[in-house]
Amino acid sequence: SQQGEEDPQALSIQEGENATMNCSYKTSINNLQWYRQNSGRGLVHLILIRSNEREKHSGRLRVTLDTSKKSSSLLITASRAADTASYFCATPGRTSGTYKYIFGTGTRLKVLA
Amino acid sequence: DTAVSQTPKYLVTQMGNDKSIKCEQNLGHDTMYWYKQDSKKFLKIMFSYNNKELIINETVPNRFSPKSPDKAHLNLHINSLELGDSAVYFCASSQGLAGGYEQYFGPGTRLTVT
Repeated sequence: SQQGEEDPQALSIQEGENATMNCSYKTSINNLQWYRQNSGRGLVHLILIRSNEREKHSGRLRVTLDTSKKSSSLLITASRAADTASYFCATPGRTSGTYKYIFGTGTRLKVLA
Repeated sequence: DTAVSQTPKYLVTQMGNDKSIKCEQNLGHDTMYWYKQDSKKFLKIMFSYNNKELIINETVPNRFSPKSPDKAHLNLHINSLELGDSAVYFCASSQGLAGGYEQYFGPGTRLTVT
């Protein structure tokens, strides 16, 4: 089944640096979502990008989508310690004809103060 | 106001026991989900309900039985718990089932089976 794979699995940076994480998927999609999960918490939706969009911004977040390469990237600029979390991409898929989102394996980001 | 709430937050029990996890959302959403997150943080959908109707039932043992008494509630009952059931279970909701809707997650229930 289709699944997003995030890369890298783990990333450690200094506060103020930019963090980039990537997501690759296998089949055609019409949208892709990114979520953040702080330790011990539920996932929080960050941004949705549709297949007809190449780039989208939300505050310090920038998401790109390259449907020809079946990949997306999430860039966090000027990172803060509070950005320390796991980041997941979610891509739509189908099971028995029913729509669902499939989550990737996640990138664990650690921002050092 | 908590959008999606789950109880309990922690659940420690022995093998063979039966337990339930409750979920409630106050967002007025039509669709609710149960996910299981294993120790490697892999998140996998288990069930999805739309307007109280079971829509998605992934390959989950029959020991897991969801119940949706109304659109705002989705409970998960687990019979004869096994060690492999230890995980964090998340409830989520979204406005609709079709693509393009963000999902709102509960805080999770950490289940430990000993």
